[in-house]
Amino acid sequence: DTEVTQTPKHLVMGMTNKKSLKCEQHMGHRAMYWYKQKAKKPPELMFVYSYEKLSINESVPSRFSPECPNSSLLNLHLHALQPEDSALYLCASSPYTGQGQPYTFGSGTRLTVV
Amino acid sequence: QKEVEQNSGPLSVPEGAIASLNCTYSDRVSQSFFWYRQYSGKSPELIMSIYSNGDKEDGRFTAQLNKASQYVSLLIRDSQPSDSATYLCAVTSNDYKLSFGAGTTVTVRA
Repeated sequence: DTEVTQTPKHLVMGMTNKKSLKCEQHMGHRAMYWYKQKAKKPPELMFVYSYEKLSINESVPSRFSPECPNSSLLNLHLHALQPEDSALYLCASSPYTGQGQPYTFGSGTRLTVV
Repeated sequence: QKEVEQNSGPLSVPEGAIASLNCTYSDRVSQSFFWYRQYSGKSPELIMSIYSNGDKEDGRFTAQLNKASQYVSLLIRDSQPSDSATYLCAVTSNDYKLSFGAGTTVTVRA
C-alpha cells in the first residue's frame, strides 16, 4: 500500500461549524504533515508530526487543531473558520523527518467555508 | 528573499521538444531536492529526487543539481501533451521542512 488516503474529498462548512479532516497511511511512515494550498499557489506547511508528536507548528491559527491518534492516522479539526481558509488541504507522509525523505501526498480535501 | 524560486511561467513548448525548468534556493545547507508534478485540481506527485551534484536521469526526465550555484533544474525530453502540468521545485531546509517554489506551469502544444 503506497497511498495516503484523505477524507472527505470535498467539504463545505459554515463559519460556526466544527468539522474534521482525516488522513491515513499504511506505509509505516513515522512523519506526517498538513499543508494548505490556495489556488495557483504552492503548498504551505502547517504542521509536522514525528512519531505521533507535534514537532512543527507554522504559527497556524488555533481554529486549526491537529491530532495524531496513532502512527497511521492524522486528523485536522476545524472550528470557527473564515472564508479565507477555503483551500485545498493536503496531507503527506514520509518515512522520517529529515533530509532526503520524499513525501507522498494524499489527494487532498477541498474545503469551502461559507 | 524567498527560500525557493522558480523561473516564471507559463512555459509553452511544442510536442516532442525539450522543456527546461529552473529553480534556485537560498539555504546553502540544503541537501535534498525534489521535483513534483501537479495537475490542475490534483495533489503533487513526486517525479524526481536528487541529492548530489550532477545529473540524474529517469526516463524522459533529467534533474541537474549544482550546490555551489544553489541551482537545480529539470529537463523534460520529448515533451508530451500529458506533461502539461505545474512543476513544483521543493527543497528540504536545515530544519527539515520541505519548502516549495511557486511552480512553473508547462503547456505542451500538440
